[in-house]
Amino acid sequence: GAVVSQHPSWVICKSGTSVKIECRSLDFQATTMFWYRQFPKQSLMLMATSNEGSKATYEQGVEKDKFLINHASLTLSTLTVTSAHPEDSSFYICSAPQAGVYNEQFFGPGTRLTVL
Amino acid sequence: QKEVEQDPGPLSVPEGAIVSLNCTYSNSAFQYFMWYRQYSRKGPELLMYTYSSGNKEDGRFTAQVDKSSKYISLFIRDSQPSDSATYLCAMVSLTGGFKTIFGAGTRLFVKA
Repeated sequence: GAVVSQHPSWVICKSGTSVKIECRSLDFQATTMFWYRQFPKQSLMLMATSNEGSKATYEQGVEKDKFLINHASLTLSTLTVTSAHPEDSSFYICSAPQAGVYNEQFFGPGTRLTVL
Repeated sequence: QKEVEQDPGPLSVPEGAIVSLNCTYSNSAFQYFMWYRQYSRKGPELLMYTYSSGNKEDGRFTAQVDKSSKYISLFIRDSQPSDSATYLCAMVSLTGGFKTIFGAGTRLFVKA
């Protein structure tokens, strides 16, 4: 199947700093990518839909100024957590559907963010 | 009421047992139904997907969809310790931007 990578796999930062997480589709192009957040022992919560060449679509309750999304190319989307706080500590996962087949999403390995 | 309901478990079974994992849903617009496996601290891995009522088999895994009852199941035959993971059901509707809605995930432990 298709491969989606994420970088970094884990990051620890101080409160108030910003953290950028990259999501790449390695062997296919993705005009759409999805960003999820997962708390321990809980399911994935969709944060936003990243669209190449246009603004991201955020889910209700997700602060777009805090979670900046940029879909710079057909293989790269970035999520920047600005002015991070301890409550932002979570597992962030991206996914991409191959060729617009939304029932076949391929997930990245996730990024564990810890804000001290 | 959540759109997708899934018992979080945990579910513990002996090696070789048949495992039954289930989800119910309330949105009739869901058209695609998937099962993902997620190991600890890893991203989800797609196991199976279906889009019609009935059964779909792939090796030791069988996915079952009953649209009339809004109920889906995943059966694992001859379960192995390596099957120990969290299993998430997921659904996509053809409206609302093709968003995928996940169940809470069921934690499965297969004891050797």
